[in-house]
Amino acid sequence: QSALTQPASVSGSPGQSITISCTGTSSDIGAYNYVSWYQQHPGKAPKLMIYEVTNRPSGVPDRFSGSKSGNTASLTLSGLQAEDEADYYCSSYTSNSTLNVLFGGGTKLTVL
Amino acid sequence: QVQLQESGPGLVKPSETLSLSCTVSGGSMSRTHWSWIRQPAGKGLEWIGRIYTSGSTHYNPSLKSRVTMLIDTSKSQFSLKLSSVTAADTAVYYCARFTYGSVNVFDYWGQGTLVTVSS
Repeated sequence: QSALTQPASVSGSPGQSITISCTGTSSDIGAYNYVSWYQQHPGKAPKLMIYEVTNRPSGVPDRFSGSKSGNTASLTLSGLQAEDEADYYCSSYTSNSTLNVLFGGGTKLTVL
Repeated sequence: QVQLQESGPGLVKPSETLSLSCTVSGGSMSRTHWSWIRQPAGKGLEWIGRIYTSGSTHYNPSLKSRVTMLIDTSKSQFSLKLSSVTAADTAVYYCARFTYGSVNVFDYWGQGTLVTVSS
């Protein structure tokens, strides 16, 4: 069982918007703005898409956006495209001194 | 552009030690944290630990008793050793740069290397 909770799957049609949630606790997501999101295509390494809740690294389309409310972070993809179909993982810094970072279990995005 | 490349045996026998190296190119290893992350087939990501340029380490407590990480900045490499492996350690192992202490993300990743534990 992962420390951060994500839905196993979400789906949407091209052009639509979807949101993936990531729920943690007051020791991680709720306490820090160090939430990040990674995209992983089959057989590839994860790619950083969002950092510090809302920031996009250079080269990431502005169709990807992040937000946070309380202990839950969200990734929203607008204007879905076929190439967005992938697994998405959230991650958060944690105040747990024995762990530095937590990952979610991952969400499979299917573009119908 | 920082690039990372994992290397090491793809097959390890049960009870033996898994050894992997990660070579960093395109940037300095100085004043940076480096991590290992693994992913069993069809499953999520598991952070194994981090090592700083100075050699200081911090491991996932679930693996701490079996993990050793080392760094050799003169060779632009850091390494992972995982002892007493079992089938449960079969996974794709990734090395990554970890911006611990700043934005706390893994911003550059290796392509990953599959390690299978089997006799």
